[in-house]
Amino acid sequence: DTGVSQDPRHKITKRGQNVTFRCDPISEHNRLYWYRQTLGQGPEFLTYFQNEAQLEKSRLLSDRFSAERPKGSFSTLEIQRTEQGDSAMYLCASSLGLGTSSEQYFGPGTRLTVT
Amino acid sequence: AQSVTQLDSHVSVSEGTPVLLRCNYSSSYSPSLFWYVQHPNKGLQLLLKYTSAATLVKGINGFEAEFKKSETSFHLTKPSAHMSDAAEYFCVVSESSAGNQFYFGTGTSLTVIP
Repeated sequence: DTGVSQDPRHKITKRGQNVTFRCDPISEHNRLYWYRQTLGQGPEFLTYFQNEAQLEKSRLLSDRFSAERPKGSFSTLEIQRTEQGDSAMYLCASSLGLGTSSEQYFGPGTRLTVT
Repeated sequence: AQSVTQLDSHVSVSEGTPVLLRCNYSSSYSPSLFWYVQHPNKGLQLLLKYTSAATLVKGINGFEAEFKKSETSFHLTKPSAHMSDAAEYFCVVSESSAGNQFYFGTGTSLTVIP
């Protein structure tokens, strides 16, 4: 299967700890997106990359969040000093092309629980 | 500003009857519109997309949607529901002015009664 993969699938951490998630997009896709989904809500945009450049960040992405995509391949999302409000499903998606018609392919997500 | 309103948080239909999931959007430019489905413990899967070509869009698994600019709507339909259609459905709008990021609705949970 050559779809979008995310690791880990589940993460339980204590408040104040740092966590890092990884996303491997579909190999030829130049765009990579991160979203956050809380229970009963649709996914909300966090940030996206075109190749290795991070082009936009949502105001939801506080100073404690940082994302990278070295060499335009996989991406990592790090959350420092986690808070209970960070508990959510973190979704990664990738797409090919620049147009609005480019559909995004989503990974299975990483479910974060902060205790 | 871009936004999506899914008019029903929950829809329940009997197996074999038609499905209608309603979506209204707000967009400053010519948007692209999508429907995604999310089955429990599975990733989001694209059902169909509208990209300013034909206003009636056919997708996978017998679903289709009609883009109506005058009504700013993009409702999802299926003639006959299957048990396997039970899932969460998201309407999504995308604009080039917004970096092609997706704006999701809050979702409609579809229950199919045998």
